[in-house]
Amino acid sequence: GENVEQHPSTLSVQEGDSAVIKCTYSDSASNYFPWYKQELGKRPQLIIDIRSNVGEKKDQRIAVTLNKTAKHFSLHITETQPEDSAVYFCAAGSGAGSYQLTFGKGTKLSVIP
Amino acid sequence: DSGVTQTPKHLITATGQRVTLRCSPRSGDLSVYWYQQSLDQGLQFLIQYYNGEERAKGNILERFSAQQFPDLHSELNLSSLELGDSALYFCASSGTGHMDTEAFFGQGTRLTVV
Repeated sequence: GENVEQHPSTLSVQEGDSAVIKCTYSDSASNYFPWYKQELGKRPQLIIDIRSNVGEKKDQRIAVTLNKTAKHFSLHITETQPEDSAVYFCAAGSGAGSYQLTFGKGTKLSVIP
Repeated sequence: DSGVTQTPKHLITATGQRVTLRCSPRSGDLSVYWYQQSLDQGLQFLIQYYNGEERAKGNILERFSAQQFPDLHSELNLSSLELGDSALYFCASSGTGHMDTEAFFGQGTRLTVV
């Protein structure tokens, strides 16, 4: 089955700096790559996603890049703010019909004011 | 509020017991997914149902079972509970059988086995 590796497991940045979280996946059939943000004690929420026919997608301070050849994708957060502090999960999904998302183990991002 | 409702929010039970977790998906969503989140394992996919039928199975133990009812709500049954089953159990729903539409997570059920 699919295996998703996520790095780093923890990340501390100064407010205003950029943060980058990287994921690799194993199943070349995967074609959907969402990123979820989970604040302490709350549910995971989708912040951005990308499909395999796109190499990059941006939404304000958040961007995701995808390299299908290398089977890796990354989340970029620019001009970080304290409210960006949370656990971020990447995931990879594939298949038509029978479909599941495999999540990375998460990155705990701390933005230091 | 994601529109996905999970009950109960917290559950404390003893080893060997059986519990049932309930999930009501967003209105109109046909797919329900169950995930287990523990500190050392991250988010683990357990099982997916689509319109009442099992669609995909992940790392779900034989002691666990699930079903989706005609009204589309789903239940996750955990039996012969062990200390290691203590975790946060999330349900998510999406509109189709394909996860390439946004999945909305419920607030989770925190299970503590003592």
